[in-house]
Amino acid sequence: DQQVKQNSPSLSVQEGRISILNCDYTNSMFDYFLWYKKYPAEGPTFLISISSIKDKNEDGRFTVFLNKSAKHLSLHIVPSQPGDSAVYFCAASDVRSGGGADGLTFGKGTHLIIQP
Amino acid sequence: NAGVTQTPKFQVLKTGQSMTLQCAQDMNHNSMYWYRQDPGMGLRLIYYSASEGTTDKGEVPNGYNVSRLNKREFSLRLESAAPSQTSVYFCASSEEGSSYNEQFFGPGTRLTVL
Repeated sequence: DQQVKQNSPSLSVQEGRISILNCDYTNSMFDYFLWYKKYPAEGPTFLISISSIKDKNEDGRFTVFLNKSAKHLSLHIVPSQPGDSAVYFCAASDVRSGGGADGLTFGKGTHLIIQP
Repeated sequence: NAGVTQTPKFQVLKTGQSMTLQCAQDMNHNSMYWYRQDPGMGLRLIYYSASEGTTDKGEVPNGYNVSRLNKREFSLRLESAAPSQTSVYFCASSEEGSSYNEQFFGPGTRLTVL
């Protein structure tokens, strides 16, 4: 049973437009959410995160929104650039019970393609 | 600062062979992790080590063993490789007691079992 779901395997967006990547989760114990970006033949790199006590976190072109009642989060990239083309993974952590040392639970990823 | 390093980058094994994947980090992190990624799947946790001297099973531990050799190094061993273990393996580390569990990943080891 998948606890973190990314239902769009791929997304194509024009350069300069907004990219919106979605993620749903089922485990109500998750209290921290992270987005990772992955290029081919490289390891994932941390992009942005949000605690369950917040509903929005912004870092430059990247904003993550959290809707706890819907168990849904989204990553907005504005404006989208060619270098943003990558696979984006949503991940979740149950920090309260795991003490922050447990592994992350990942979604399957969304391949974002930025078209010129 | 190399971050998280993994060796080897690529490996081909025959069914039944054994091998050890090596991982080291130079960020003085206490927690280390091993994940595998299969096509069309997210990363799945195999084992983790919250601190030196401790290891715990993750979501998919069967067929693997781990050793936390010291604070820097965390190895993953396949005693008798099976084709189902063909995957890309990622090692990661994070700070002790990190409130948000941000993990730093190595570049991965691509393993093929024939």
